[in-house]
Amino acid sequence: QKEVEQNSGPLSVPEGAIASLNCTYSDRVSQSFFWYRQYSGKSPELIMSIYSNGDKEDGRFTAQLNKASQYVSLLIRDSQPSDSATYLCAVNIFVKTSYDKVIFGPGTSLSVIP
Amino acid sequence: EPEVTQTPSHQVTQMGQEVILRCVPISNHLYFYWYRQILGQKVEFLVSFYNNEISEKSEIFDDQFSVERPDGSNFTLKIRSTKLEDSAMYFCASSFMGGRNTEAFFGQGTRLTVV
Repeated sequence: QKEVEQNSGPLSVPEGAIASLNCTYSDRVSQSFFWYRQYSGKSPELIMSIYSNGDKEDGRFTAQLNKASQYVSLLIRDSQPSDSATYLCAVNIFVKTSYDKVIFGPGTSLSVIP
Repeated sequence: EPEVTQTPSHQVTQMGQEVILRCVPISNHLYFYWYRQILGQKVEFLVSFYNNEISEKSEIFDDQFSVERPDGSNFTLKIRSTKLEDSAMYFCASSFMGGRNTEAFFGQGTRLTVV
C-alpha cells in the first residue's frame, strides 16, 4: 500500500514564528511532490510544488525535498493567523505506466496564535 | 484567474438514487480528476481521466461510479445507486500536464448528502 504520512497535529505556533510541516512517503519512484492548504470546509489550494532534491522558496514558504530519505517538508516563515489551516502533502504515485495518481496525506492542522 | 467550477455546491439525495456531479475544468487543461473527502478524513483519489478515457482509478471507484466528458467543457461523475457511505465532499481537479508534472487545481467541491 503506497502511503503518504504527515506528522500529527494540531501544530500551534506563535505569530511571527516559523512553522515546520513534515511528510514522508513510501513509494521510492515518486517524482512530484505538492503542498496544498485547506481551510475548513473549503477545497485544497495548491501552494507549492517541488520535483528536485533541495529547497524551493516562494515568498514565506520553503519546500524541502530529500528523495533518498523519502521526506518532504514545508516551512512557513513569519507565520500569520491567516496561515491557520490544514496543510496537505501530496505525492504523485507511479502506477503501471503513468504518474496520474496523486495521493494525499492526512494533513497537519496548523494554528497560528496571535 | 481561470478556475475549476463545480455544480451543484450541495446535493441531497435518497439512498439508491443516481446522482451526477458536474465540473467545468480550466479551459486549456487536459487532465481531469475526481477526489472525495469524507467529513474529518483525508482527501482520497477516485479517478484520473485523459484523452477521453480513464487513466487511473482507485479501489473506491467501483462499478457504481463512472465519469464522462460529454462535450468540450464538462466533466461529470455519476454514482448509479448511492449509498449512505457515499456522503462526502467531492472535488474535481484539472491540470495542464499529467505525469510527473501534475499540478492539479481544485474546484470548490460538491457536498453530497445521502439520506
